[in-house]
Amino acid sequence: ETGVTQSPTHLIKTRGQQVTLRCSSQSGHNTVSWYQQALGQGPQFIFQYYREEENGRGNFPPRFSGLQFPNYSSELNVNALELDDSALYLCASSLGGGHRTRDTQYFGPGTRLTVL
Amino acid sequence: GESVGLHLPTLSVQEGDNSIINCAYSNSASDYFIWYKQESGKGPQFIIDIRSNMDKRQGQRVTVLLNKTVKHLSLQIAATQPGDSAVYFCAELNQAGTALIFGKGTTLSVSS
Repeated sequence: ETGVTQSPTHLIKTRGQQVTLRCSSQSGHNTVSWYQQALGQGPQFIFQYYREEENGRGNFPPRFSGLQFPNYSSELNVNALELDDSALYLCASSLGGGHRTRDTQYFGPGTRLTVL
Repeated sequence: GESVGLHLPTLSVQEGDNSIINCAYSNSASDYFIWYKQESGKGPQFIIDIRSNMDKRQGQRVTVLLNKTVKHLSLQIAATQPGDSAVYFCAELNQAGTALIFGKGTTLSVSS
């Protein structure tokens, strides 16, 4: 076990709704990254937070947004849900953060989101 | 651009055999690579990593080899066990050090 926890485990929403997913990072880690994993695919990077600020972003629209709190836990918010948003959402925590660090990312178990 | 791929989508082996899972990457400037194991319904689990200043790194029953000349990465699992059955991903860290770029994965099936 990595010590990274996510909630909820599963979630079902309908198109157009909004969702908030939560992540608690491993003790001592100040960086959280979020990934989307569609069925049968590898995870795709959404964004990373370091010290409560967005530190990098992948190719996802603005309706995907996030927050990091002073205790380094994080939220992923998705507005105006679409059917294609159905996926496993993973968060990963790492020790260092900041630009050009090379720290291992440790993943949580994920939240399975289904959009109907 | 940055992209990572795997050569084979599936690999089937017998218990006790050695397994080799391959991965090719396209960015010659990449300097950090990780192998993850993902079991059904779970998040990716860190197996082993390697930096570009190394050619080989060994862990418990696993070895990662990096060939920078041909931009190739491999994961060797010794004495494969049924518990090794999972999807294996190689991942490359992007130049900014923020995002892991994953390939599609290789499904390893171990029969006893």
